[in-house]
Amino acid sequence: AQRVTQPEKLLSVFKGAPVELKCNYSYSGSPELFWYVQYSRQRLQLLLRHISRESIKGFTADLNKGETSFHLKKPFAQEEDSAMYYCALRSSSASKIIFGSGTRLSIRP
Amino acid sequence: GAVVSQHPSRVICKSGTSVKIECRSLDFQATTMFWYRQFPKQSLMLMATSNEGSKATYEQGVEKDKFLINHASLTLSTLTVTSAHPEDSSFYICSALSGRSSYEQYFGPGTRLTVT
Repeated sequence: AQRVTQPEKLLSVFKGAPVELKCNYSYSGSPELFWYVQYSRQRLQLLLRHISRESIKGFTADLNKGETSFHLKKPFAQEEDSAMYYCALRSSSASKIIFGSGTRLSIRP
Repeated sequence: GAVVSQHPSRVICKSGTSVKIECRSLDFQATTMFWYRQFPKQSLMLMATSNEGSKATYEQGVEKDKFLINHASLTLSTLTVTSAHPEDSSFYICSALSGRSSYEQYFGPGTRLTVT
């Protein structure tokens, strides 16, 4: 069965500190992994996807198939990064997306 | 970028009545739309996958007779909560799949349903 696990409900770090939001998944094939972000009072939006291998707003995420992880990282947190972050998985291009439970990132000034 | 709208943004209804929520893709055609439910401080739970012109595929545990989904056109899907009860109160979010953008899903702003 497909499953996405985000072990931290809340992560609070100081501005300028490194950030790592953990995500582990279970899927027997080769899934697509995503990170979505939801800022306060805004809709859910795509932050990045593993196939793009790009950095968005300073965030990166590397798919580690051996550890079945897709942790989201940023070397220096900014206050505007405070938001809800969801790790997500889908099995093929046109199929449904399964979300993790989400991690609330709070950046302290 | 692609825009998905939902209407209404908020609705309050009495127990026993039915409520319809619309999801529209404004600048692209979406053969597939998804309906999610989000409880306070919890993640999005997929309810069903809606394909244009065919019956929706419901996730396990979701009552198809209670949550009626219609995807009559390439830009509109509707979710009707029938005979609503207070436990149906939730935040309902739709997303639309854009085939032109590497099959990216675009999310609507959500609809807050309160059943009194």
